[in-house]
Amino acid sequence: QKEVEQNSGPLSVPEGAIASLNCTYSDRGSQSFFWYRQYSGKSPELIMSIYSNGDKEDGRFTAQLNKASQYVSLLIRDSQPSDSATYLCAVGGYGQNFVFGPGTRLSVLP
Amino acid sequence: GAVVSQHPSWVICKSGTSVKIECRSLDFQATTMFWYRQFPKQSLMLMATSNEGSKATYEQGVEKDKFLINHASLTLSTLTVTSAHPEDSSFYICSARALFEDTQYFGPGTRLTVL
Repeated sequence: QKEVEQNSGPLSVPEGAIASLNCTYSDRGSQSFFWYRQYSGKSPELIMSIYSNGDKEDGRFTAQLNKASQYVSLLIRDSQPSDSATYLCAVGGYGQNFVFGPGTRLSVLP
Repeated sequence: GAVVSQHPSWVICKSGTSVKIECRSLDFQATTMFWYRQFPKQSLMLMATSNEGSKATYEQGVEKDKFLINHASLTLSTLTVTSAHPEDSSFYICSARALFEDTQYFGPGTRLTVL
């Protein structure tokens, strides 16, 4: 059974701080990793994908992947109240279905 | 790019009736589409995977005769909830994936309420 775990929330950070979201996965053969953001009552929207070890930056978001440790994280710099949402980690591979984590609810306090 | 639409965005129906939900990929060809269900404050639950021109593959515990999926073209998949009951009330979300890619792009979801 492939499993994806995320740090339990809710996670609260003050506005302007760095929010750190973590995800671990059980299948060593996983090849692709995604972070989605889901606002309450809405569907998930893609934030970032990462395939190689190391960091990948896109604006205020940085995804970090460490395949040896089976760990992927998402850092949100200069957090804004509009970043308050549930963040879903998804793990997959070419031709495979995603395995989603349970999500971490982030609350950015003004 | 990579836009997925769903219709309707919400629907209310009487118990015993059938409801059809459409999922369209607007700017790419979706060789695979996925249907998820999400109850309040819970994570996404994959119901089925459909490949264009093939029968859908249903997850364990999902009744294929109740949730009919048709993926007739590379841009359209439909989910029909047959003989809906109040316990089928949920948020139904589709996603689509293009050939040779593994990113899933989600539609905006359909909120179904069965009275």
